[in-house]
Amino acid sequence: NAGVTQTPKFQVLKTGQSMTLQCAQDMNHEYMSWYRQDPGMGLRLIHYSVGAGITDQGEVPNGYNVSRSTTEDFPLRLLSAAPSQTSVYFCASSYSGSTDTQYFGPGTRLTVL
Amino acid sequence: ELKVEQNPLFLSMQEGKNYTIYCNYSTTSDRLYWYRQDPGKSLESLFVLLSNGAVKQEGRLMASLDTKARLSTLHITAAVHDLSATYFCAVGRSGGGADGLTFGKGTHLIIQP
Repeated sequence: NAGVTQTPKFQVLKTGQSMTLQCAQDMNHEYMSWYRQDPGMGLRLIHYSVGAGITDQGEVPNGYNVSRSTTEDFPLRLLSAAPSQTSVYFCASSYSGSTDTQYFGPGTRLTVL
Repeated sequence: ELKVEQNPLFLSMQEGKNYTIYCNYSTTSDRLYWYRQDPGKSLESLFVLLSNGAVKQEGRLMASLDTKARLSTLHITAAVHDLSATYFCAVGRSGGGADGLTFGKGTHLIIQP
């Protein structure tokens, strides 16, 4: 199993550009989520999904969209990038959200100029 | 609003010593998670604590949960350099984890020879 994979590993955007961060898992996990990590902060939840076709907002959803058309994939879209979105983005998955270990992907380091 | 506070945020200690990291949270929860993060890397799950009084041990690390006090501890016994990392605790946003986790800011641990 590849586990949780994320692409790209690094990305530089200009203000106003849009892009999609990809996340995929091959463990047949129902639960997937996106977090951002900023220096000196913990991780903050952006969006999460409890299964295909079901998504909901986390703590910091503004400026981001998600969809979950398959169990395996959970892409995160930046609609119009802003410097405040410069961060490291982590995708996570688990079999169930409440009791199981959550497995994190390797992260995407995004810089918005 | 759920708040998760860790202390200390920074800890420098010598090999062979014992120390404890504390994690307090503000709302009722019987599920708490501990993660480790090495510089530039993703998060690695250490412990999932699922009930009051839960205690788990792995090598030199031991974690416990007191849901009545809303407190978890991560105890390090006879520290070794390889344990240098940032340690995060996290709590399910709704008491469980199905709608995502709220993280503490992390404890940056440096273990010196």
